[in-house]
Amino acid sequence: QVQLVQSGTEVKKPGSSVKVSCKASGGTFRNYAISWVRQVPGQGLEWMGGIIPVFHTPTYAQKFQYSQHFQGRVTISADESTSTAYMELSSLRSDDTAMYYCAKSATMSEPLDSWGQGTLITVSS
Amino acid sequence: QSALTQPASLSRSPGQSITISCTGTSNDVGNYNLVSWYQHHPGKPPKVLIYEDNKRPSGVSNRFSGSKSGNTASLTISGLQAEDEADYYCCSYAGGSTLVFGGGTKLTVL
Repeated sequence: QVQLVQSGTEVKKPGSSVKVSCKASGGTFRNYAISWVRQVPGQGLEWMGGIIPVFHTPTYAQKFQYSQHFQGRVTISADESTSTAYMELSSLRSDDTAMYYCAKSATMSEPLDSWGQGTLITVSS
Repeated sequence: QSALTQPASLSRSPGQSITISCTGTSNDVGNYNLVSWYQHHPGKPPKVLIYEDNKRPSGVSNRFSGSKSGNTASLTISGLQAEDEADYYCCSYAGGSTLVFGGGTKLTVL
């Protein structure tokens, strides 16, 4: 069973950037997809983007996909050596205040079957 | 990528059944047999209840079932219990390795 542990709560100023980490244990990091999902207070879950595994390659390869809503502001990355995925959101605004989750699936078309505990990001001047 | 449409809130009494709808388009819900449903209790991460429209992961109660017709998927919960009070979200694969969630339904078990 894959477990995902996220970095802690952050308070950021408008216009700055934040980078959230998601460390995986169990399973083989290169073999599954990681999605980033956020929940603004009082609103629903929103898929931000994810890491798509690329199979049948001699070395670790990955692709990234982003929701159009966040295109240009979010950067997702991964470090296989530490089994850690990252989500960086730039040009922060007050309406980016939200709980941010990472979640694992076998592929992007399969269910999100393991979730991190969530990271609260507050954007305030 | 517009959010899938769910009723904002529903309420039922314990023991009753309820069906939550999730309406998308022919680009997402109607194009793939890849709708999943999540239960979200405040302060906890979401939990998958249904995947591939109507399949249940091991360990999920058979009181939860999923179905789909055209561009609308549905989650049915039978024999409602107090612990079923939560937010419920549908999620569909939308092609190109992207996902789209519904707006969520707050279920109150009176």
